[in-house]
Amino acid sequence: GAVVSQHPSWVICKSGTSVKIECRSLDFQATTMFWYRQFPKQSLMLMATSNEGSKATYEQGVEKDKFLINHASLTLSTLTVTSAHPEDSSFYICSARDLDPHIYNEQFFGPGTRLTVL
Amino acid sequence: GENVEQHPSTLSVQEGDSAVIKCTYSDSASNYFPWYKQELGKGPQLIIDIRSNVGEKKDQRIAVTLNKTAKHFSLHITETQPEDSAVYFCAATRGSTLGRLYFGRGTQLTVWP
Repeated sequence: GAVVSQHPSWVICKSGTSVKIECRSLDFQATTMFWYRQFPKQSLMLMATSNEGSKATYEQGVEKDKFLINHASLTLSTLTVTSAHPEDSSFYICSARDLDPHIYNEQFFGPGTRLTVL
Repeated sequence: GENVEQHPSTLSVQEGDSAVIKCTYSDSASNYFPWYKQELGKGPQLIIDIRSNVGEKKDQRIAVTLNKTAKHFSLHITETQPEDSAVYFCAATRGSTLGRLYFGRGTQLTVWP
């Protein structure tokens, strides 16, 4: 099946620093990648939709200057949390959608990245 | 936009019993309905999905039913096992070029041995 990886799986950083999270589709090409944020015991909250070669589309209330998204290739998207603060601590999850029209709607999720800002 | 409601929020069953989780959606244009299982500290894993042109789909102990008229779909797990314990999310999408998924709030399923 389709595999999506994320790196790192967890990160601890100091307040004010920036953190980059990578999302890779390992065995398929992804036209679109999605970034989610999840708080404990809550559902996934979509932050932004990322299309290869174009600017990301951010959901209402998500600061695009704080959460920088780059989708440079069909297999890699990155999320950079700039000037992180403790309230940015969360579980960040990416997903990717295959180019294959037969499974176009399916989204495959990465394992998530636990960010803790001290 | 789409609104997906999911019930119950928690569900406890004895091993071997069946579990049913129900979701409703608001957008009649939605045509793809996946179910995800999320274990603690991990990303969601697609377990089964259904498209609007079918009413039911089975995969071993798991089945999903869809009622387009009533705009609801359900996940059925038979012969539950302790390893089925997890949070289950339903989702809906129009399957457009954006492909955004709209998630329910999740159901914490606990299977007691």
